[in-house]
Amino acid sequence: TQLLEQSPQFLSIQEGENLTVYCNSSSVFSSLQWYRQEPGEGPVLLVTVVTGGEVKKLKRLTFQFGDARKDSSLHITAAQPGDTGLYLCAGPKAAGNKLTFGGGTRVLVKP
Amino acid sequence: NAGVTQTPKFRVLKTGQSMTLLCAQDMNHEYMYWYRQDPGMGLRLIHYSVGEGTTAKGEVPDGYNVSRLKKQNFLLGLESAAPSQTSVYFCACDGGTNQPQHFGDGTRLSIL
Repeated sequence: TQLLEQSPQFLSIQEGENLTVYCNSSSVFSSLQWYRQEPGEGPVLLVTVVTGGEVKKLKRLTFQFGDARKDSSLHITAAQPGDTGLYLCAGPKAAGNKLTFGGGTRVLVKP
Repeated sequence: NAGVTQTPKFRVLKTGQSMTLLCAQDMNHEYMYWYRQDPGMGLRLIHYSVGEGTTAKGEVPDGYNVSRLKKQNFLLGLESAAPSQTSVYFCACDGGTNQPQHFGDGTRLSIL
């Protein structure tokens, strides 16, 4: 069982549609990070959320950290083919800088 | 501005062979990490280092060894490769608590 559960595992939508990806845990995290990974490349950080209830926007991407700091969501408005990729959430473990990653959500945006 | 460079990018090994994966970073970061990525399982930490000359086990360390003789380099070794080690391996580094991790482009390793 992973500490961070992501859902859905796979999402296929048409260009222009909206989508939401979820990252849930039974544990409290001091912060959560979201990464996007494209084929053949390593993950790249999109955002870090640190405060319960926090909402951060990055152009068409909206990230929310749950009030209890146990969950987070990523919402994409009017998705574009360039949003295609694997979205990973990650949070620090209790001690040190080590991160635990969710299993990822693979997003495919069709033109 | 390379960031994190991993070599090789691809490798095919036979069961029982050994090899070393190299990670080099030019960001002067103290912390370095080796992960493996398998379908549906995200990234799992193999070993990590908090500075030159130090190493520590992650969540899946069995069958792997690491060394951090120089600050900029972090080596991952497989002494006797097994098919279960077929995976994509990523190296990452960061500058401290709550700092983003910077990843290389991965090494795709197949063990036959």
